[in-house]
Amino acid sequence: SQQGEEDPQALSIQEGENATMNCSYKTSINNLQWYRQNSGRGLVHLILIRSNEREKHSGRLRVTLDTSKKSSSLLITASRAADTASYFCATADTGRRALTFGSGTRLQVQP
Amino acid sequence: GAGVSQSPSNKVTEKGKDVELRCDPISGHTALYWYRQSLGQGLEFLIYFQGNSAPDKSGLPSDRFSAERTGGSVSTLTIQRTQQEDSAVYLCASSKAGGPETQYFGPGTRLLVL
Repeated sequence: SQQGEEDPQALSIQEGENATMNCSYKTSINNLQWYRQNSGRGLVHLILIRSNEREKHSGRLRVTLDTSKKSSSLLITASRAADTASYFCATADTGRRALTFGSGTRLQVQP
Repeated sequence: GAGVSQSPSNKVTEKGKDVELRCDPISGHTALYWYRQSLGQGLEFLIYFQGNSAPDKSGLPSDRFSAERTGGSVSTLTIQRTQQEDSAVYLCASSKAGGPETQYFGPGTRLLVL
């Protein structure tokens, strides 16, 4: 079953603007990961944040995690047309091997 | 090095036929996962293999679905007597070790059951 819920489901912005996507989950987790998917095919891992971390940066990406609210956010700064894709959060739930994915946010960056 | 590969890229079959989907994980990765993604949806876990341990089959939707992993490497997902609701993209992923670490995904097999 899908645990994570991304918000918004779809987001359209202009190149150069920032994009923020949110994810909520329900259970206890070891870590939370964000993936990107282009054209409905393979997923590419973007960033992993562990349950004892609150914020993590990677290039233009910034991820926050609030375990008390069971939520995470992904911020993409200075967006580019090439950032157009679907973005999924995935939780590594305590005691479970497989990742639990949310339904994703479709990001469209207009050039 | 090479990433996760899957074959075929696309498969069109008739309702009631059996299909086999193949996954070649990254060399040295002991954990292998199968997921299914329906149109516009997130990924649904199907099955997990870790080394020589018994697989976690808890996500398989019915007994028409089965998977095996030979020699701890290549995996085959078999769907018997396919139904139209089996139409989806089937994604395989591998990781260095079982557990909550980064998974590396293949490009997927798009299955269409007519």
